[in-house]
Amino acid sequence: DTGVSQDPRHKITKRGQNVTFRCDPISEHNRLYWYRQTLGQGPEFLTYFQNEAQLEKSRLLSDRFSAERPKGSFSTLEIQRTEQGDSAMYLCASSPLGTRTEAFFGQGTRLTVV
Amino acid sequence: GIQVEQSPPDLILQEGANSTLRCNFSDSVNNLQWFHQNPWGQLINLFYIPSGTKQNGRLSATTVATERYSLLYISSSQTTDSGVYFCAVDPRLVAGKSTFGDGTTLTVKP
Repeated sequence: DTGVSQDPRHKITKRGQNVTFRCDPISEHNRLYWYRQTLGQGPEFLTYFQNEAQLEKSRLLSDRFSAERPKGSFSTLEIQRTEQGDSAMYLCASSPLGTRTEAFFGQGTRLTVV
Repeated sequence: GIQVEQSPPDLILQEGANSTLRCNFSDSVNNLQWFHQNPWGQLINLFYIPSGTKQNGRLSATTVATERYSLLYISSSQTTDSGVYFCAVDPRLVAGKSTFGDGTTLTVKP
C-alpha cells in the first residue's frame, strides 16, 4: 500500500464551475477525513467518515460542498458553483478504527478558482 | 473548541544548529501529532505523542499533557529540515477532527 492518494493534484477552474476531488485512503483504514488549508494557515477540518457514514461536518462545509464515501472505500468531495474563496489546498487523511490512532495524509489537491 | 498555539511562527537557523518548537493547547487532549509539511504540501508524520517522550533520529518530542504543551526538538539541523511544522490535537479518545496550529516555518541555511 502506497498511502493515501488524492486526485487530481492540481485543479484550475473558472468561477461558477463544479469540481470533484477523489481520495483513496490506506486500504485497511475505516476513517477518512477532509481538511482545507489556505495560505499561511494550518489545515481546517471539513468532515469525516467512519466507513460509509458521514459522522461530522464542519460549519465551513457550506451547502455548495458535498462529500461521499459510498462503499466505505474511496471518497469524493464536490464543490458546486465554485467561488474564488474556495481556492485552497484540500487534504484527505485516513486512520484505523480504535482509540488513540494516528492519521496519515495524502498529497492534497490544490484548487485555484479564476 | 480547543485552541492550539504554536511558537515561534518563524525560525531561521544555520545548518547544524538545534531548535525547539512549541505547541500549547487550551484543553486536555487524547490525540496529538506533529507533522512536517514539505514544499509540495504533503503532511509527513513525525510523531504521534499524546503524552510522554519519543525520539526518531535527530528529532524528538515531548508532551506534558497535564500542562497542556508539546515540544518538538530538532538537533543538528539540515537544509532538508526546512518547511512548516504543525501540531494537531484532538481532545476526544476516539479521533475525529483534529485542530491544527498555524505552524512554525523553519528555514535552515547552509
